[in-house]
Parts: sequence; structure tokens; C-alpha cells
Amino acid sequence: GPKVLQIPSHQIIDMGQMVTLNCDPVSNHLYFYWYKQILGQQMEFLVNFYNGKVMEKSKLFKDQFSVERPDGSYFTLKIQPTALEDSAVYFCASSFRDRGPGNQAPLFGEGTRLSVL
Amino acid sequence: QQKVQQSPESLTVSEGAMASLNCTFSDGTSNNFRWYRQHSAKGLEVLVSIFSDGEKEEGRFTAHLNRANLHVSLHIREPQPSDSAVYLCAVSMNSNYNVLYFGSGTKLTVEP
Repeated sequence: GPKVLQIPSHQIIDMGQMVTLNCDPVSNHLYFYWYKQILGQQMEFLVNFYNGKVMEKSKLFKDQFSVERPDGSYFTLKIQPTALEDSAVYFCASSFRDRGPGNQAPLFGEGTRLSVL
Repeated sequence: QQKVQQSPESLTVSEGAMASLNCTFSDGTSNNFRWYRQHSAKGLEVLVSIFSDGEKEEGRFTAHLNRANLHVSLHIREPQPSDSAVYLCAVSMNSNYNVLYFGSGTKLTVEP
């Protein structure tokens, strides 16, 4: 079936550096999401993106975070600069639509484990 | 803020015995409920979605929703060892379908 691909699976970076996490969503999907899961904790919503814009973001989506999807390519999450507390697994998700009867469940990628040293 | 809690934290069942997982939520306007599962170091696989009170079956997975009691459950019929995984309840609200609130998961182990 359709899959959301995330690249890389693991990224190690020094505190203060910039990192970009890449997500290749399902080809006909229109809504894109990032979630963050710190080891041993619940998965938490960061941001969702539609039609080139951030639709909603949580308080976890700090000023150092940004998202974009230039020209229908990868959907990216950029963190600049990184901090120790950014260490987590970041999951990308996509869906065709966001509401309506039987609206489709977002499909999730396998996550990128980010380690900030 | 929506609070989603799952119980038990871990559950061990024998192959073929029914497995039942629970999820409670705090916001009564919630109307989208999903059950996902996550195998170790893998992505999330959606199992069943339910939007109104009652029951929804997808293969061996059945979700029961009782919004008055703020409760949704998942029942796994004839579980196999390959069903061993972490099961996540995800809830979204009428005000914003896009935001999923996750529980902390139930780790299911199915013994042969």
C-alpha cells in the first residue's frame, strides 16, 4: 500500500547546528504533519501543513522550527539552531483530506531519530 | 487540553485469546478515534477508525465507542504472536480534525 518515507532514519548532530528532516508523503495526499516523540513519552503534535501554509502548530513548535514543501518535493522540518531537548523521534504523516464522514486516517512514516549532542 | 489515557500499560495474552485495550479521553467534543499499532522501530499502522457510538469492525480488530463515558476500546480477536506491538489510541476533536492526541500506548505481547 501507499507509504510515507522518512529520510534519514537516524541523524546525529551537535547542539547549535541546523538539521533538516525529510519526508516523502503519499503522492496524492494534501495534508502533512509532524509529530514528536521523546523516548518513553507520548507522541505529540507539532504542526500541520496544507496548500503551502502552516494550518496549526502546537507550543512545541518553537521559533527555531520551520516547515516547507517546495514544488511538491519533500516535506521538510528544519530546526535551526538545535537544542539538547530536540532529541526525539520525529514522525511525518500525510492524509488526503482532513475532515468529512469517514475522513482518512493520516498515514505515518517510520520516524527519524534525532540525537542532539 | 485533551488528555488521552490508555490502560493497561502492558498486556500479555495467549495466542487465540481475545485481547482488550482501553482508552479514555477528556474532551466530550471529540469525534474522531483511531487505533494505531507500532511495531518496534517501525511506523504506525492504522487499524480501525470510529466516528460514532457503537462498534466498528476491521478484520480481527473491533473498536467500541461510548462518548458519554468518554471511552473507546479495541478488541483483537484471535491474536497472533505477530500482533505483539504497542497499540496507540489517537483522538481528534471537532474543532480541529488535523490534530491527533495520542495516548501513551499499551504494549501487547501475544505468547504462542
